[in-house]
Amino acid sequence: NAGVMQNPRHLVRRRGQEARLRCSPMKGHSHVYWYRQLPEEGLKFMVYLQKENIIDESGMPKERFSAEFPKEGPSILRIQQVVRGDSAAYFCASSQKGPGANVLTFGAGSRLTVL
Amino acid sequence: DQQVKQNSPSLSVQEGRISILNCDYTNSMFDYFLWYKKYPAEGPTFLISISSIKDKNEDGRFTVFLNKSAKHLSLHIVPSQPGDSAVYFCAASPSGGSNYKLTFGKGTLLTVNP
Repeated sequence: NAGVMQNPRHLVRRRGQEARLRCSPMKGHSHVYWYRQLPEEGLKFMVYLQKENIIDESGMPKERFSAEFPKEGPSILRIQQVVRGDSAAYFCASSQKGPGANVLTFGAGSRLTVL
Repeated sequence: DQQVKQNSPSLSVQEGRISILNCDYTNSMFDYFLWYKKYPAEGPTFLISISSIKDKNEDGRFTVFLNKSAKHLSLHIVPSQPGDSAVYFCAASPSGGSNYKLTFGKGTLLTVNP
């Protein structure tokens, strides 16, 4: 019974490149959430998706960041033209229910380093 | 603007003693509070939660206390064990349809010494 799977676990990019982070939710979970943890900070909500739909992207930076959760395959968080300030740990979480779920199950995170 | 604050970056206790981790919040709209534990290179793992209609919730060695008037909650671990050594995050969410939108504190590193 695999948990939330994220890959890659570590990603190094140079400024201006693109970063793609993938997340497969727990079996039976159809709600996916992305959180970001900047150095010395707590986790911050970015986006909430269901299959093929973005439900709430109020925490996403307005530019360069996008997320999708296609009908088939994992959820993808895409960061275009990365800058040093994007260096962070990106955590994906999933839940069986959506609003009302309260308890989210987190993956181990993807650590992005921008050189 | 930190809405959830964990003012102690670290805490060290002896095995068998009580660990008390504290958390303060500022947003009156928060209705549900959670504690997550995180080991290095792993994701946060849910530990225990409490609704704003309660002032205490207990699960084995872990008890969470909520003081709504003071906007303060605490996590008690009794007795503490070396395996409890981890970073503990306090998190809060509003009620209703946005309760997936957790606001986390910066975490407290707990070290339990044998």
